[in-house]
Amino acid sequence: NAGVMQNPRHLVRRRGQEARLRCSPMKGHSHVYWYRQLPEEGLKFMVYLQKENIIDESGMPKERFSAEFPKEGPSILRIQQVVRGDSAAYFCASPTDNEQFFGPGTRLTVL
Amino acid sequence: RKEVEQDPGPFNVPEGATVAFNCTYSNSASQSFFWYRQDCRKEPKLLMSVYSSGNEDGRFTAQLNRASQYISLLIRDSKLSDSATYLCVVNTYGGSQGNLIFGKGTKLSVKP
Repeated sequence: NAGVMQNPRHLVRRRGQEARLRCSPMKGHSHVYWYRQLPEEGLKFMVYLQKENIIDESGMPKERFSAEFPKEGPSILRIQQVVRGDSAAYFCASPTDNEQFFGPGTRLTVL
Repeated sequence: RKEVEQDPGPFNVPEGATVAFNCTYSNSASQSFFWYRQDCRKEPKLLMSVYSSGNEDGRFTAQLNRASQYISLLIRDSKLSDSATYLCVVNTYGGSQGNLIFGKGTKLSVKP
């Protein structure tokens, strides 16, 4: 995964709780993409961030989801009041000239 | 119509077989094309980019037909380690910039 880190790798939440997913891109990189993969589905784009700036959030659900990438620290995808339908694998990706390198993902399970 | 469509498979083939996957995309403005590989419960990893002239990397050959909006991947001399899900990916931007649009994937199982 060329140095893209995500944590936690597995996250279990009960309905109504908050989930925070973290992504650190490749060293020295300041852009990240977030994708969601629902069970038996393809990856879907959610949001594209640069440090301190959201560039494209056209794939984000209108409610409960937010993302940030502060000047210091990892990018965070935050899901408030989780529902069972949020259970999925969430991947972030760090773009280089030729490809997007994906992190190992966070598998969110909502009970 | 889905943006990127693939036959979900599974394709079950013996070792040494040749197998071909196809993919169609709906947006004629798409600029860059890729095949990614995803192992079970793992992240996608780039297998190869796909160019208009076609390109080959060892046992893997990718073809692009812009007029038909069709992409293919050919795997020759299949190995057990080729077992994975193969994701067809397009991008309306060139290179790696822009949000990637993924197909649901084609599952390949190579048997001894």
